[in-house]
Amino acid sequence: AQSVAQPEDQVNVAEGNPLTVKCTYSVSGNPYLFWYVQYPNRGLQFLLKYITGDNLVKGSYGFEAEFNKSQTSFHLKKPSALVSDSALYFCAVRDRSDDYKLSFGAGTTVTVRA
Amino acid sequence: EAGVAQSPRYKIIEKRQSVAFWCNPISGHATLYWYQQILGQGPKLLIQFQNNGVVDDSQLPKDRFSAERLKGVDSTLKIQPAKLEDSAVYLCASSLGQENNEQFFGPGTRLTVL
Repeated sequence: AQSVAQPEDQVNVAEGNPLTVKCTYSVSGNPYLFWYVQYPNRGLQFLLKYITGDNLVKGSYGFEAEFNKSQTSFHLKKPSALVSDSALYFCAVRDRSDDYKLSFGAGTTVTVRA
Repeated sequence: EAGVAQSPRYKIIEKRQSVAFWCNPISGHATLYWYQQILGQGPKLLIQFQNNGVVDDSQLPKDRFSAERLKGVDSTLKIQPAKLEDSAVYLCASSLGQENNEQFFGPGTRLTVL
């Protein structure tokens, strides 16, 4: 069975500072990894994904994530956070051995203060 | 490109009543998903369709929940009878395929069971 852990319920940063949202995963095979963002009263929006290839993945709105197989992590990063980045972020994993079912973490609330 | 449409956006019912949600996926997307998102948790897959066939409904409480995707396009999710613990946001998503394609989510239906 696959699982995703987001160890921090909340992350608070000042605008202009680096933002990191942590994610670790557990799968039996090779993972497909995703980050989604959810704004209030809206559905989830896709940010980026790792399927294969370069461990550093670049996505929407200046976000990037680094796949680390040895640490089974896929942390989301942004060099300079904006107030508009304040939202709920979800990490998700798909495992080919589990019919590609997408499993989500519990989410991390990011608050960027001006 | 139009996104995933869902209706209604909000629904309040009393326990033991019935409710139905509707989803219209992005045109051309063969795969459709229904998720349940309880407050403070990540989305949990209820059922996955590939065209009009069910791929995975292992987490669907089949004694009270049902879903169909007639003609492989629109889908409806029904709860009968509803319980208090069914209060959640029900998200519909679609994707081109099952494997490494990202899912596109609708705005969700917020269900409150009193």
